[in-house]
Amino acid sequence: QKEVEQDPGPLSVPEGAIVSLNCTYSNSAFQYFMWYRQYSRKGPELLMYTYSSGNKEDGRFTAQVDKSSKYISLFIRDSQPSDSATYLCAMTRTGGFKTIFGAGTRLFVKA
Amino acid sequence: GAGVSQSPRYKVAKRGQDVALRCDPISGHVSLFWYQQALGQGPEFLTYFQNEAQLDKSGLPSDRFFAERPEGSVSTLKIQRTQQEDSAVYLCASSPPRQDTQYFGPGTRLTVL
Repeated sequence: QKEVEQDPGPLSVPEGAIVSLNCTYSNSAFQYFMWYRQYSRKGPELLMYTYSSGNKEDGRFTAQVDKSSKYISLFIRDSQPSDSATYLCAMTRTGGFKTIFGAGTRLFVKA
Repeated sequence: GAGVSQSPRYKVAKRGQDVALRCDPISGHVSLFWYQQALGQGPEFLTYFQNEAQLDKSGLPSDRFFAERPEGSVSTLKIQRTQQEDSAVYLCASSPPRQDTQYFGPGTRLTVL
């Protein structure tokens, strides 16, 4: 079993929809949680960075961490065709630098 | 300013050949990471440098993989006697001092025939 599980999709939604992306993990030592966006043939780009449990909002993006359930989410409001990409969750332990990534969820937002 | 750059962007090698992949991190970034990303998968950690010191190489798949960063800036990932299973995108990322945020380069797509 992988340390981080993420549904690969693809997920297809109409423009303007609210998108929910999720990951589960098994290692309770993870304390830092990230979401990256990766366009085709590009490197990942950091979207959200959260420490421990709680919510964080940045524009149309909201990240949630529930450490008790070992479950993290990314919500995208008012989705746009330009949001079409692969979304990767990632996490690290305190004092660690080895980042563990999920497999990524492919998102398509239809105009 | 300039981001992380990687070269070559694409590399085709015959099985058994040696390859060298280069990463130019953002100037002033202390930390440098290498990842391997197979098709349809997330990046997998290979190795980590802090300045010129390689602090973790636990992710390198075999002794055919070798990474160096001799002057604490540019890094090279070398793969000897390439195999078909080495075909992947190799990503480099760097981080500024006292920050965890990793900035990724565009990757080198390696195809081993």
